[in-house]
Amino acid sequence: AQSVTQLDSQVPVFEEAPVELRCNYSSSVSVYLFWYVQYPNQGLQLLLKYLSGSTLVKGINGFEAEFNKSQTSFHLRKPSVHISDTAEYFCAVSRDDMRFGAGTRLTVKP
Amino acid sequence: DTAVSQTPKYLVTQMGNDKSIKCEQNLGHDTMYWYKQDSKKFLKIMFSYNNKELIINETVPNRFSPKSPDKAHLNLHINSLELGDSAVYFCASSQFSIKGGYGNTEAFFGQGTRLTVV
Repeated sequence: AQSVTQLDSQVPVFEEAPVELRCNYSSSVSVYLFWYVQYPNQGLQLLLKYLSGSTLVKGINGFEAEFNKSQTSFHLRKPSVHISDTAEYFCAVSRDDMRFGAGTRLTVKP
Repeated sequence: DTAVSQTPKYLVTQMGNDKSIKCEQNLGHDTMYWYKQDSKKFLKIMFSYNNKELIINETVPNRFSPKSPDKAHLNLHINSLELGDSAVYFCASSQFSIKGGYGNTEAFFGQGTRLTVV
């Protein structure tokens, strides 16, 4: 079965700074990878997904992620964050079912 | 129109009671899920239905019983509620069955039901 590990439980950054949220996955077969964002008291919203093809995936709100098969990673990046990016971010892997990482709390400070 | 809607949004109830959470999706998806999110934000899959058929049943107490009257609806009934059942429960749907290799589709989530057992 597949699994996902998000390496940082909390990431505090200042506004306009770049950010990287790290995600590693484990699977014996090819998988599909996703990043979701959860704003306070809301459901999950898809940021981006990797299915196949280009390893650099662009998503909404200026986020992008790079699929690295050799390192089994799918890290999420944004070159310049805003206060409004403060939220919980989840990496997910899908093959037989969709499994989520434990989440990374991104806090953007002014 | 809300794609995946669940009701109620908040549910406060006493230990020992039985309660239900309803979920409906208008996306025409074949697969629906229930996830439980605990106080530490950890998301755990509970059940998955494909065209009204149960395909994933994680290690969940049998006090939890999902019911899918049609592929657009997946309800969750919980008997004899316990304090540890307090959590946010999310319903989700996706286009294809994730079982059998159709794992390349995103899941759309409802807004969640915050269940508090007192």
